[in-house]
Amino acid sequence: ETGVTQTPRHLVMGMTNKKSLKCEQHLGHNAMYWYKQSAKKPLELMFVYSLEERVENNSVPSRFSPECPNSSHLFLHLHTLQPEDSALYLCASSQDLAGATDTQYFGPGTRLTVL
Amino acid sequence: TQLLEQSPQFLSIQEGENLTVYCNSSSVFSSLQWYRQEPGEGPVLLVTVVTGGEVKKLKRLTFQFGDARKDSSLHITAAQPGDTGLYLCAGRSGTYKYIFGTGTRLKVLA
Repeated sequence: ETGVTQTPRHLVMGMTNKKSLKCEQHLGHNAMYWYKQSAKKPLELMFVYSLEERVENNSVPSRFSPECPNSSHLFLHLHTLQPEDSALYLCASSQDLAGATDTQYFGPGTRLTVL
Repeated sequence: TQLLEQSPQFLSIQEGENLTVYCNSSSVFSSLQWYRQEPGEGPVLLVTVVTGGEVKKLKRLTFQFGDARKDSSLHITAAQPGDTGLYLCAGRSGTYKYIFGTGTRLKVLA
């Protein structure tokens, strides 16, 4: 248990569906991240929020829409996804953005399958 | 594009054996981290190395950051089944971004 929870743990959706992934951190951290982990590619940073402001949008398609209503919660809204979007989506948090030794704490991930 | 290549990709060894995992790049990183990820879980940070040539030890695990801060290695002495997992290196790029390596999947057989 890292203090970062994600729901749901597994999600199967069709290409026309709309769904949301939820992340919650209980660590009092100020920064939160979304990563995508595919079977054949390195872990990729998607979005970064610091104090509820988005500071990074790493060329992610608009069918992925993040939301950070407060420093403890992070959402990833999904719509009209493609089968190649099937992956493990990981949320992480860290105390702050700055600092060479900042530790990111990862949640267990949501395994997404797009049919 | 910054890339971190890890080798080997897969490693299956017997309990008690030693092993080394390598993480190489043509880019310089201000710091480098190693993570272990077990099935159904997110990556967990093992160590952060910051200074070129730095060596850190964590029980049976020894981490080294290359002098030029472009590469790193993880050595495990007397591997145990509990060491089984996916090992990831990650180089710090810019203020807060980490570039993750391609991963090494280790299986230690009892």
